[in-house]
Amino acid sequence: EVQLLESGGGLVQPGGSLRLSCVASGFTYSSYSMSWVRQAPRRGLEWVSSISATDGSRYYADSVKGRFTISRDNSKNTLYLQMTGLRAEDTAVYYCAKGASSVWETSFGDWGRGTLVTVSS
Amino acid sequence: DIQMTQSPSSLSASVGDRVTITCRASQSISTYLNWYQQKSGKAPKVLIYAASSLHSGVPSRFSGSGSGTDFTLTISTLQPEDFATYYCQQSYSSITFGQGTRLEIQ
Repeated sequence: EVQLLESGGGLVQPGGSLRLSCVASGFTYSSYSMSWVRQAPRRGLEWVSSISATDGSRYYADSVKGRFTISRDNSKNTLYLQMTGLRAEDTAVYYCAKGASSVWETSFGDWGRGTLVTVSS
Repeated sequence: DIQMTQSPSSLSASVGDRVTITCRASQSISTYLNWYQQKSGKAPKVLIYAASSLHSGVPSRFSGSGSGTDFTLTISTLQPEDFATYYCQQSYSSITFGQGTRLEIQ
């Protein structure tokens, strides 16, 4: 059974930083692309960032480019999202999602439960 | 960027009804279109991938169709557990979600 467990969310002041983690199990982690998708309160889903399995290439939404960094540690089956320069509009539940294949532009067959990030003073 | 527009934004229906939700892409995306169901406070679940392929374990009352710019998700006979919000997502060029369709009990 695929399991994705996010952690690292919390309350942070505007301009602050936070690192999210997602520990994966139940599948060959190194063979699949991984992504972060967020959902602001009472809003829809927004893709944030993805990392491919083939060459570790990284992709970002324009709204986070230059502020967020995605990375993966295949030895620890863990996905990360380093967030800096946080803004109020970054407040959301952040989901870790497993891609359906090694390439990043794909569907998301499995999701974690999410971790809440609140940016407020 | 490819924009995804769902219609309607909300929908009221009754158990047993047939329901169709539409998703339109701002440019052709072939069949790189996926559908998700999200219940309140829960993570999304994939229903349909590649426009018309049913994800493992998803009931056969769900079906998807379309190609190019116009796609539909159909629920043939609504069940109580189907009341939720539905999202389309394109994976042809980058990744974009539609704004969602909230399906409510009439």
